Amino acid sequence: AQRVTQPEKLLSVFKGAPVELKCNYSYSGSPELFWYVQYSRQRLQLLLRHISRESIKGFTADLNKGETSFHLKKPFAQEEDSAMYYCALSGNTGNQFYFGTGTSLTVIP
Amino acid sequence: DAGITQSPRHKVTETGTPVTLRCHQTENHRYMYWYRQDPGHGLRLIHYSYGVKDTDKGEVSDGYSVSRSKTEDFLLTLESATSSQTSVYFCAISRSAGVEETQYFGPGTRLLVL
Repeated sequence: AQRVTQPEKLLSVFKGAPVELKCNYSYSGSPELFWYVQYSRQRLQLLLRHISRESIKGFTADLNKGETSFHLKKPFAQEEDSAMYYCALSGNTGNQFYFGTGTSLTVIP
Repeated sequence: DAGITQSPRHKVTETGTPVTLRCHQTENHRYMYWYRQDPGHGLRLIHYSYGVKDTDKGEVSDGYSVSRSKTEDFLLTLESATSSQTSVYFCAISRSAGVEETQYFGPGTRLLVL
């Protein structure tokens, strides 16, 4: 069964510190992995997807198939990064997504 | 925002009453989804649609029904609302670019069942 695990419900870091939000997945095929961000009381927005290998707002994520992980990283956290972050997986059919439970990031000034 | 709107944006209702939420999209996407968002549970799929009159159940479909009579509209109905259905409801579409599928979300509907 497909599953996405985000082990940290809450994460606090100081401004300027590195941040890493963890995401592990289980899937028998070749999944596509995504990170979504949700700022306070707003809609979820796509942050990045592994297939594009892009960097958005300074965030990067590398798919590690050996460790089945897709951790989100940023070298220097900013206050505006405070938000809820969701890791998501799309399977072979491409049309069903599975979301983790989310990590709430707080960047302390 | 991928042309997705939801109505109403906020609703307060009483236990036992029916409630219908509407999702509207302007880009003619085939796939549409309804999720609920709850603390500690993240996003959970309620129902989804893969075309007009084609729908299927998600992870938490009990107590919910959906209809899609037009490509642009996907309705979620709580047949008899309960307090456990107090939540934020998000609609989403799936947009494809080549072999990639990515979901885009509506602004959400906050539902309070008293």
